[in-house]
Amino acid sequence: QVQLQESGPGLVKPSQTLSLTCTVSGGSISSGSYSWTWIRQPAGKGLEWLGRIYTTGSINYNPSLKSRVTISVDASKNQFSLKLTSVTAADTAVYYCVRAGGNIVVLNWFDPWGQGILVTVSS
Amino acid sequence: QSALTQPASVSGSPGQSITISCTGTSSDVGGYNYVSWYQQHPGKAPKLMIYEVSNRPSRVSNRFSGSKSGNTASLTISGLQAEDEADYYCSSYTSTNTLVLFGGGTKLTVL
Repeated sequence: QVQLQESGPGLVKPSQTLSLTCTVSGGSISSGSYSWTWIRQPAGKGLEWLGRIYTTGSINYNPSLKSRVTISVDASKNQFSLKLTSVTAADTAVYYCVRAGGNIVVLNWFDPWGQGILVTVSS
Repeated sequence: QSALTQPASVSGSPGQSITISCTGTSSDVGGYNYVSWYQQHPGKAPKLMIYEVSNRPSRVSNRFSGSKSGNTASLTISGLQAEDEADYYCSSYTSTNTLVLFGGGTKLTVL
């Protein structure tokens, strides 16, 4: 079955760029009608959807992050990535990469999830 | 403040049934059958339990069920077991440019 695994630095300095990669195994990132998404969760808090890239390349971002977030895909490596610029302590969270069902308009369900990676923003 | 409203906590004894509510608006929960529910144990990633309001992945126990009435969706767990103790989150598609909303989460305690 499809599995996802996040990778990247666990510590980022304030004002710098957070960069994470998600490697997909057990299936092709280009097959099926799925979106590849990023969701984060600050310690002790709820879930926040960051954005998604659909199989066709269509991209949507959470408006609350304005222009700070970028999601891209490298189909040759079966990976997709997240970049979050100008980070502050408020961006400290566990970041999950997740496959989402639905279509180009709708995000329906989220499954499976990566194990998550804790990213701390601190000098 | 989360866009979908869930109770902060619920509790029940083993063998009992509990229901967790998730209230939104006609732009999300009430307008579409794209509500899903997730279970999260401490230190673990969330796990999909219910999708499209009431559909259950084959790997999920039939003790879990979902429903919707108006702008409120519900997750019911019957025959409570100790392993059900976890945080539960609802999610819904929204027609706004936010695209996805999550509830604030409900902590289920099995007494």
